[in-house]
Amino acid sequence: EDKVVQSPLSLVVHEGDTVTLNCSYEVTNFRSLLWYKQEKKAPTFLFMLTSSGIEKKSGRLSSILDKKELFSILNITATQTGDSAIYLCAVRQGAQKLVFGQGTRLTINP
Amino acid sequence: GAGVSQSPSNKVTEKGKDVELRCDPISGHTALYWYRQSLGQGLEFLIYFQGNSAPDKSGLPSDRFSAERTGGSVSTLTIQRTQQEDSAVYLCASSFGDRGHAEAFFGQGTRLTVV
Repeated sequence: EDKVVQSPLSLVVHEGDTVTLNCSYEVTNFRSLLWYKQEKKAPTFLFMLTSSGIEKKSGRLSSILDKKELFSILNITATQTGDSAIYLCAVRQGAQKLVFGQGTRLTINP
Repeated sequence: GAGVSQSPSNKVTEKGKDVELRCDPISGHTALYWYRQSLGQGLEFLIYFQGNSAPDKSGLPSDRFSAERTGGSVSTLTIQRTQQEDSAVYLCASSFGDRGHAEAFFGQGTRLTVV
């Protein structure tokens, strides 16, 4: 069965801390892995990863994919309260549906 | 349009009634997805449309759920004889689906409450 598993499910840290969110997957016909941030209703796109070992970076956020070990991490440095959200990982199978993980609920306390 | 548009944004309905949720994808996107998100849960895949191909309906939870996509653009998700367990946020997304490397963009969702 295809599955995407995120960990931890919930994380509470203080402003300024660095966090690492994990996503492991077992899917057939892997094409790409995507990270989304969900604050209210609509998930907003963060990164798409297709190749192993190439870091994608946007400001304080970065992500990398390991296609041999079948996982990805999302790093957030110098966290701010505005980073509080649910972070979703999804894997695209072929040109087909996106399979989502359960999400990691990140809370940044001031 | 500039983004994925969903309507209504909120819907309260009585148990047993039928509801229709609408999704207007980004212009030019050939792939359209419906997901459901219950409170505190991840995204549950419902159905996927890609161009003129037969939709992937493997995620529809029961035969009370159906969806169509007219003219390769707007999609309607219909839930018949709604039940309280249908209460959730229904999210629509679209992408350039004929490439495996295209990101999907989400609408703001429809929050459905069945009372």
